[in-house]
Amino acid sequence: GENVEQHPSTLSVQEGDSAVIKCTYSDSASNYFPWYKQELGKGPQLIIDIRSNVGEKKDQRIAVTLNKTAKHFSLHITETQPEDSAVYFCAALPWAGNMLTFGGGTRLMVKP
Amino acid sequence: NAGVTQTPKFRILKIGQSMTLQCAQDMNHNYMYWYRQDPGMGLKLIYYSVGAGITDKGEVPNGYNVSRSTTEDFPLRLELAAPSQTSVYFCASSYSGTDNTGELFFGEGSRLTVL
Repeated sequence: GENVEQHPSTLSVQEGDSAVIKCTYSDSASNYFPWYKQELGKGPQLIIDIRSNVGEKKDQRIAVTLNKTAKHFSLHITETQPEDSAVYFCAALPWAGNMLTFGGGTRLMVKP
Repeated sequence: NAGVTQTPKFRILKIGQSMTLQCAQDMNHNYMYWYRQDPGMGLKLIYYSVGAGITDKGEVPNGYNVSRSTTEDFPLRLELAAPSQTSVYFCASSYSGTDNTGELFFGEGSRLTVL
């Protein structure tokens, strides 16, 4: 089945700096890659997603890039703010299944 | 709208006890899911349902049971609780299945400890 690895597991940045979280997947036929943000005490919430026919997608300070050849995708957050502090999960939708496979999560801490 | 509501938020069980985690959604979503979240391990799918009366196993179904008698409710039953079931449980729903890239809407989670 699909396997999604996410790095780093923790990331600490200074406010205003950029943060990058990377994920690799194993199923080359996977075609949908969402990112979820989980704030403390809350359930995860979708923040951005990308499909396999697109290489990059932006939404204000957040962007996601996809490299199908290398089977990896990344979340980029620019001009980080304290409210960006949360756990971020990547996920992939394998071709053979109909359920998302999640990565292990990244705890992002933005220091004021 | 309340979205996805889970109860209880916290529960401590003794080994061998049983309990039901409740989940209700008011968005008229057909698809509902139960995940467990272990530290550093991401989210693992336990069971899911594509509509009332239909349920199917996910990645880690052993030790759990579900039912879906209505569109709104999707309870998760733990029989004979074991320490390995200590985790945070999330219920989620979506309008369409994730094979149609349906966005998942999560509840706030239920933290279960089995001692």
